[in-house]
Amino acid sequence: DIQMTQSPSSLSAAVGDRVTITCRASQSISFYLNWYQQKPGKAPKLLIYVASSLQSGVPSRFSGRGSGTDFTLTISSLQPEDFATYYCQQSYSTPRTFGQGTKVEIK
Amino acid sequence: EVQLVESGGGLVKPGGSLRLSCAASGFTFSSYTMNWVRQAPGKGLEWVSSISSSSSYIYYADSVKGRFTISRDNAKNSLYLQMNSLRAEDTAVYFCAREHGRDGYSHYWGQGSLVTVSS
Repeated sequence: DIQMTQSPSSLSAAVGDRVTITCRASQSISFYLNWYQQKPGKAPKLLIYVASSLQSGVPSRFSGRGSGTDFTLTISSLQPEDFATYYCQQSYSTPRTFGQGTKVEIK
Repeated sequence: EVQLVESGGGLVKPGGSLRLSCAASGFTFSSYTMNWVRQAPGKGLEWVSSISSSSSYIYYADSVKGRFTISRDNAKNSLYLQMNSLRAEDTAVYFCAREHGRDGYSHYWGQGSLVTVSS
């Protein structure tokens, strides 16, 4: 199985900050990496698919990069509604493993 | 509008069984691979099981293999998860999710159904 490791596991940031979350796969997954945002009590929301494609309706301050084993999610200017937990997920193979999550908190 | 609505969750004793359902609408259900993903209280997302559009390909996480069975009824636009020999560690919110083609991401998710395994 492919293991996904996110870092950091949590971070504190202020509104307007630039935030970057990293996801590393245990083997190459090409560009089959997706990012989700989850708020308490809600289902995950797709932000980025296949590494860098922005899901329709998602603000352009969110961006994704990477291929192979190393990927990043960047929020260019953190907004109050962005405080949430973010997960990466590989869809290169089954099982569709998730990273452990990164909780973005208010500084 | 695409909708996925889970049902069937509840409180069950260890060793018991439960069957979750996911009712799909707003899209051609028979064309899509479907997944179950769970989230234990305060924990991260865990992929549980996947079933291809025609049920030809079925996969399970090691943690549920041999105890859970995924199935679908394309005529009824429904996805199921039969959960047997339940353990305390199976306590979680269970989400159904539609997978997008070869790229494998899930844009559409249900609201989740809580399964609590406790004596």
